[in-house]
Amino acid sequence: ENVLTQSPGTLSLSPGERATLSCRASQSVTSEYLAWYQQKPGQAPRLVIYGASSRATGIPARFSGSGSGTDFTLSISRLEPEDFAVYYCQQCGNSPETFGQGTRVEIK
Amino acid sequence: QITLKESGPTLVRPTQTLTLTCTFGGFSLSSSGVGVGWIRQPPGKALEWLALIYWDDDKRYSPSLRSRLIITKDTSKNQVVLTMTNVDPVDTATYYCAHRNIRLEYAFAIWGQGTMVTVSS
Repeated sequence: ENVLTQSPGTLSLSPGERATLSCRASQSVTSEYLAWYQQKPGQAPRLVIYGASSRATGIPARFSGSGSGTDFTLSISRLEPEDFAVYYCQQCGNSPETFGQGTRVEIK
Repeated sequence: QITLKESGPTLVRPTQTLTLTCTFGGFSLSSSGVGVGWIRQPPGKALEWLALIYWDDDKRYSPSLRSRLIITKDTSKNQVVLTMTNVDPVDTATYYCAHRNIRLEYAFAIWGQGTMVTVSS
């Protein structure tokens, strides 16, 4: 199974700052199959990025994804209050599909 | 507009069988490229992928749960059913179903609200 390791576990930042989240895979992932989700307390996850770098419908331009192979990054250029949440990466390329353990972005 | 809603028991006894139903609207599971997956999340923990079924009846399972899971679809009822046998308290979680269209993106673009299942005697 392709294990996804996200870092850091928690990111403490202020509104307006830049957030950089990492997702490292134990096996290479085709970029088409790498996605990022945002989850707020008590809510279902929401797709943010698919295909490693494509924004999902309704996702603001301050969110961007990059990477290839085993290293992927989700960046939020200037944090807005509504961006503080937990973010998960997922690989859909190989069965079983797997999720990372999540990165919590909290208000400093 | 695509919608999904999970339903099932809120409390299940250990060793019993859990049956969860995902009822969806706004798409057909007989359309090429479409799939519905199940994902769960124990309280305070990360997401865990469980199973997935595609329009062509291709089925995928988590290897660690494969012996206990069955996923089926009923396209006439717009439902996907996940059956989990021999449940244990560690299966306590919120269970989500989610939609995918691989012609658009390899990801779960739309999720249900989730249903919380507690396994306890």
